[in-house]
Amino acid sequence: AQKVTQAQTEISVVEKEDVTLDCVYETRDTTYYLFWYKQPPSGELVFLIRRNSFDEQNEISGRYSWNFQKSTSSFNFTITASQVVDSAVYFCALSEADMDTGRRALTFGSGTRLQVQP
Amino acid sequence: EPEVTQTPSHQVTQMGQEVILRCVPISNHLYFYWYRQILGQKVEFLVSFYNNEISEKSEIFDDQFSVERPDGSNFTLKIRSTKLEDSAMYFCASSWQRQETQYFGPGTRLLVL
Repeated sequence: AQKVTQAQTEISVVEKEDVTLDCVYETRDTTYYLFWYKQPPSGELVFLIRRNSFDEQNEISGRYSWNFQKSTSSFNFTITASQVVDSAVYFCALSEADMDTGRRALTFGSGTRLQVQP
Repeated sequence: EPEVTQTPSHQVTQMGQEVILRCVPISNHLYFYWYRQILGQKVEFLVSFYNNEISEKSEIFDDQFSVERPDGSNFTLKIRSTKLEDSAMYFCASSWQRQETQYFGPGTRLLVL
């Protein structure tokens, strides 16, 4: 069965600090997709990134970067020079791609609440 | 930019009442989903829907729940007889293909009294 673990329940940083949110996953599929979603205080779920299991290249998008390490089953998310607007709950999620047995529904981690203080 | 919309944004109901939550997925998307999030907890999958039938459901999605696509644009979740523990934020999501990114609506906050 698939599982996503976000061990950090809450992180508090001061503006301009860098912060890394950890995500560790378990799946039996060899092909799968990993996601990060942001849930700001208003409650909606905002898509940030999707990676497939064959693409281990790290990705950078502005102040956001993602480190995918298949060897350790981790997909960590770093925010550089954090800002108050980054305050939110961040969810890591997994879906499997096997056409016969893969579960396409997203399995979410329990989320990490990031508080950025001014 | 196209987005998933949900109505109502908030609903308060009495235990035992039926509720229908409505969603309009992104127009060219083919796969539709419902998830729920009990306050302060993780987001949990309920059901996925494709080609006018359920393609996958979780153990949460019991006989009290049903989904329907009554017309070409709406996708609904019905809870037949609400319980206190059904109080949660319900999210609708859609994706173009099964393996593509799921985009979420803003959610409906359901409170069962």
